[in-house]
Amino acid sequence: QPVLTQPTSLSASPGASARFTCTLRSGINVGTYTIYWYQQKPGSLPRYLLRYKSDSDKQQGSGVPSRFSGSKDASTNAGLLLISGLQSEDEADYYCAIWYSSINWVFGGGTKLTVL
Amino acid sequence: QVQLVESGGGVVQPGGSLRLSCSASGFTFSSYGMHWVRQAPGKGLEWMAFIRYDGSNKYYADSVKGRFTISRDNSKNTLYLQMNSLRAEDTAVYYCAKLDPIYDSSGWFDPWGQGTLVTVSS
Repeated sequence: QPVLTQPTSLSASPGASARFTCTLRSGINVGTYTIYWYQQKPGSLPRYLLRYKSDSDKQQGSGVPSRFSGSKDASTNAGLLLISGLQSEDEADYYCAIWYSSINWVFGGGTKLTVL
Repeated sequence: QVQLVESGGGVVQPGGSLRLSCSASGFTFSSYGMHWVRQAPGKGLEWMAFIRYDGSNKYYADSVKGRFTISRDNSKNTLYLQMNSLRAEDTAVYYCAKLDPIYDSSGWFDPWGQGTLVTVSS
């Protein structure tokens, strides 16, 4: 079972909200980790969006709009990326990542967002 | 502005070697940890290796441990990835990325270079 699991795809309408999940493997407590989120548009290099550990320990990437936000769902052991007011330019692949066991960085498999 | 430029990619036969370089500018290179991350065609991101700002610690993904070596020359503002015993499954775009915040060993990857393509094929 992968350390981080993301749905392969997500579709939403312009103006709506999108909720991305990043589920940590059983036995790895989401509360312990900072979840990092990256965006990769087609044909482009990845871009750092934000990090979220708790409401008091979070950070927005430089130039990232406030409609991008992070959260956690302890009940499902998942990190969340929320995008409100979806725009066509938000179409991209979204990756979560954690610093695991203090010696490894792990990326989720990525979720492809389609805005239609 | 902060810029990372990878070079050294190309086509190499299975079992061959290649050295990638990442030239950094616009920041104090010697104060930041650095990463290599790869992305196989049509696939997701895969972390490869990390080197601490002073080179004192290096970490590797299991998939490349013993075959790849990360290093840096702070006097030249350059990061390297020596890749040996290359396999077809190493075919990917290889990105270097700066680790924020300063002097840390955890944190976020920002920015990323534009990537260099490595193709392992006979």
